[in-house]
Amino acid sequence: TQLLEQSPQFLSIQEGENLTVYCNSSSVFSSLQWYRQEPGEGPVLLVTVVTGGEVKKLKRLTFQFGDARKDSSLHITAAQPGDTGLYLCAGADNNNNDMRFGAGTRLTVKP
Amino acid sequence: NAGVMQNPRHLVRRRGQEARLRCSPMKGHSHVYWYRQLPEEGLKFMVYLQKENIIDESGMPKERFSAEFPKEGPSILRIQQVVRGDSAAYFCASFITGGTGELFFGEGSRLTVL
Repeated sequence: TQLLEQSPQFLSIQEGENLTVYCNSSSVFSSLQWYRQEPGEGPVLLVTVVTGGEVKKLKRLTFQFGDARKDSSLHITAAQPGDTGLYLCAGADNNNNDMRFGAGTRLTVKP
Repeated sequence: NAGVMQNPRHLVRRRGQEARLRCSPMKGHSHVYWYRQLPEEGLKFMVYLQKENIIDESGMPKERFSAEFPKEGPSILRIQQVVRGDSAAYFCASFITGGTGELFFGEGSRLTVL
């Protein structure tokens, strides 16, 4: 059974600060996804990383997939209140058949 | 192209009653996942279904819970004889094989057991 550990569990920062959240596992993933969930809604995909060492940028968000494809990080530059939400990482096994989620990092950005 | 549709959005049941949650995947998607989410927590995998086939139900309690995804119609998650501990948000997600692997989520069904 894959186990995805996310840290920190909770993060509260001021608008304009930078932050990094992490997703770690002892398992190797064929791909890893980051989702964001807002209260009362379902998660929405932010990015999928596939290649070890891959870095993807989405405006102020930078996603990195570890070389060994066991871990990933999400860095947000100059956080804004609109970034507030639950950030979830999800990993697929080698057959992409089984998507498991971490417990998430709950981010609050104060104006 | 309508997204993943879940209903009901909110369901209130008394202990011992049955809860039936429905999920219509996106058009062309033949695979669905069901996840459970408690307040302030992440998504816990329950079951992974293909049309007319249960692929992985390892996350679903063996008693009182069942899921199906018939050839026609929505996927259904059924909880019999509900208890207060079943109160949670239940999310359905669908995806298309051979695609990017992106899961498309519904807005969830929130079950409250009195």
